[in-house]
Amino acid sequence: SYELTQPLSVSVALGQTARITCERSNIGDKNVHWYQQKPGQAPVMVIFRDNNRPSGIPERFSGSNSGNTATLTISRAQAGDEADYYCQVWDTGLYVFGTGTKVTVL
Amino acid sequence: EVQLVESGGGLIQPGGSLRLSCAGTGFSVSNNYMSWVRLAPGKGLEWASGIYSDGSTYYGDSVKGRFTISRDKSKNTLSLQMNSLRVEDTAIYYCARVNNYGQFDDWGRGTLVTVSS
Repeated sequence: SYELTQPLSVSVALGQTARITCERSNIGDKNVHWYQQKPGQAPVMVIFRDNNRPSGIPERFSGSNSGNTATLTISRAQAGDEADYYCQVWDTGLYVFGTGTKVTVL
Repeated sequence: EVQLVESGGGLIQPGGSLRLSCAGTGFSVSNNYMSWVRLAPGKGLEWASGIYSDGSTYYGDSVKGRFTISRDKSKNTLSLQMNSLRVEDTAIYYCARVNNYGQFDDWGRGTLVTVSS
């Protein structure tokens, strides 16, 4: 089956940088999108097509994608960034989400 | 402004059927690729089904053969007919609009389906 592997959890100190990885063989050949989901809320896209931010998403959110790893970076982490984060790709008619990463801001 | 509002969730016994609906405003459901995505308790997001503007449909392995996605152009709605429901189908079901790059641009707030005896 098609899997996108993410770390289960990432902890980051307030004001520091968090990096969330999304791994699959040759993921660099795909467009990768990232979503933030807070408890009780719908997902919100924070990065599209590897490294683009939708309007309204802070510049602190950035993305990269190369080789076997895509990465979401959250700079100057704030308490409001605590959430679950998912990567996502489209491949041969199917849409796949990553396993999800819980980000905790300490 | 694009809005998506799901309805139809509830408590259903294993083996039962349920039909979810998603009402779209601010855009044409039929002219867009639309999807259903679910979030089960303690699990991650899972893509369940999608329908292209040409009417072609796709399903994830876990729902294939049991769920059917459709749309009503006159009502601008998306539907998901769920049959032979299982306990593991318990989840919040979200409807979403997907663009040509495969990104989920807009989401509804979701509707909860609980399958339990």
